[in-house]
Amino acid sequence: QVQLVESGGGVVQPGRSLRLSCAASGFTFSSYPMHWVRQAPGKGLEWVALISYDGSSKYYTDSVKGRFSISRDNSKNTLYLQMNSLRPEDTAVYYCARELAIAAAGFRGDYWGQGNLVIVSS
Amino acid sequence: QSALTQPASVSGSPGQSITISCTGTSSDVGGFNYVSWYQQHPGKAPKLMIYDVSNRPSGVSNRFSGSKSGNTASLTISGLQAEDEADYYCSSYTSSSNRVFGGGTKLTVL
Repeated sequence: QVQLVESGGGVVQPGRSLRLSCAASGFTFSSYPMHWVRQAPGKGLEWVALISYDGSSKYYTDSVKGRFSISRDNSKNTLYLQMNSLRPEDTAVYYCARELAIAAAGFRGDYWGQGNLVIVSS
Repeated sequence: QSALTQPASVSGSPGQSITISCTGTSSDVGGFNYVSWYQQHPGKAPKLMIYDVSNRPSGVSNRFSGSKSGNTASLTISGLQAEDEADYYCSSYTSSSNRVFGGGTKLTVL
């Protein structure tokens, strides 16, 4: 069955960096675009970034452009989110999600990871 | 990118129908048929309920349906059940090739 398992979260000081990973199994990872979505404590969902199935196209929400970088290693079935210059407002549970189809249109996250908490605090 | 507008809360009794609205602009909801709806129970990851305005993924009950008119999309839940009590979020593709969520709606089953 499809599984997405995130790792790499934790507590980090403002201005520092952190890399999240999302290990995929149970499907052909290299055929699907992937997203990162976050949710601040007690708040709503916020779409963060999208990467195409082959890694050639990447999109980001405005608040993380220039600071976050999405990437993937299809040989390792793993998605990444490199987060630099972290701010307290980046504190959230970060989810990876699989896009429903190879052509990413909208956000159709049909499978999600369990979520990984990132806390940015001094 | 401004979030889409959803009512903060809606409620209904078991067996009734409720509708949750999601209002955007011509640059997102109104411009594309790429609206999705998610259900989230406390402490759980969201679940895709509707995609591309009105399509249901396999395994989602046909009590859930979606529609769109102009800049407003809607999620309707018929035959309300206790297990439907959750937070619901809409999302849309945008003209800047990004995606945006609504603020979320808390559904209470009375």
